Amino acid sequence: DTAVSQTPKYLVTQMGNDKSIKCEQNLGHDTMYWYKQDSKKFLKIMFSYNNKELIINETVPNRFSPKSPDKAHLNLHINSLELGDSAVYFCASSQARTETQYFGPGTRLLVL
Amino acid sequence: AQKVTQAQTEISVVEKEDVTLDCVYETRDTTYYLFWYKQPPSGELVFLIRRNSFDEQNEISGRYSWNFQKSTSSFNFTITASQVVDSAVYFCALRIDQTGANNLFFGTGTRLTVIP
Repeated sequence: DTAVSQTPKYLVTQMGNDKSIKCEQNLGHDTMYWYKQDSKKFLKIMFSYNNKELIINETVPNRFSPKSPDKAHLNLHINSLELGDSAVYFCASSQARTETQYFGPGTRLLVL
Repeated sequence: AQKVTQAQTEISVVEKEDVTLDCVYETRDTTYYLFWYKQPPSGELVFLIRRNSFDEQNEISGRYSWNFQKSTSSFNFTITASQVVDSAVYFCALRIDQTGANNLFFGTGTRLTVIP
C-alpha cells in the first residue's frame, strides 16, 4: 500500500507545453506539500495546502499552480514550461502542520 | 532566518566502518524540529528520525544513532558497521514551530558511498 503516490514518475515534454503532476496520499493527512529538487539535489518547498487552504507560497513563478480537489490530493499544474523547470518534484503530506512529512517517490520532469 | 549546514558533501567508507554525518542548524526559535531523511539511488525520500528542540536525548535504532546537542546546534547521524545498502544521499532538515511557517528547510545533503 503506497502512502504517498505521484504520477507520472517520468515526464518528458517540450518547452512551452502545459503539464500536470498528480499526488495522492492515503494516510488521512490534512496537509500536503510540493517540493522541487534541482540538479544539485537541493530541496526547496514550493507550496503547502492545509484543509484546501494555501498556507505557503514560496517565490515560485505563477506558471505553477497547486490544485487540491480534496484532502487526499494535491496536483501541480505547470503552464508554459521552461528549460529551467527540469527537476524532480516531490509531493509530501503530514498530519497537521506540525508533524513529520512523508514524501512520494518523486516525478522527474525533463523539459526539452 | 533558518539554515541547515551539511558541510560534508561526499563521504566514502569501506563496508563495516562507522561513519558520522554532520548537521549544524541555525534558528532563533526556541521550539523547532530536526529531521533526517535518506535518499537512496532509487530517488525516493525516506524519513529516518524526528527530534524536537526540548528532547536532547540521543537515539539509537539498530545501526543508526543520532546525537543532538543544542549547545553546538548540531544533530549528527552515525551509522555503525556500514553496509552497501546505506549508500545514499542523507538530508538533515529543520522546521520551526511558527504560525504559518510549517515548511522544512533542508541542508544540501551528504552523499555517502559504502564500498564493499
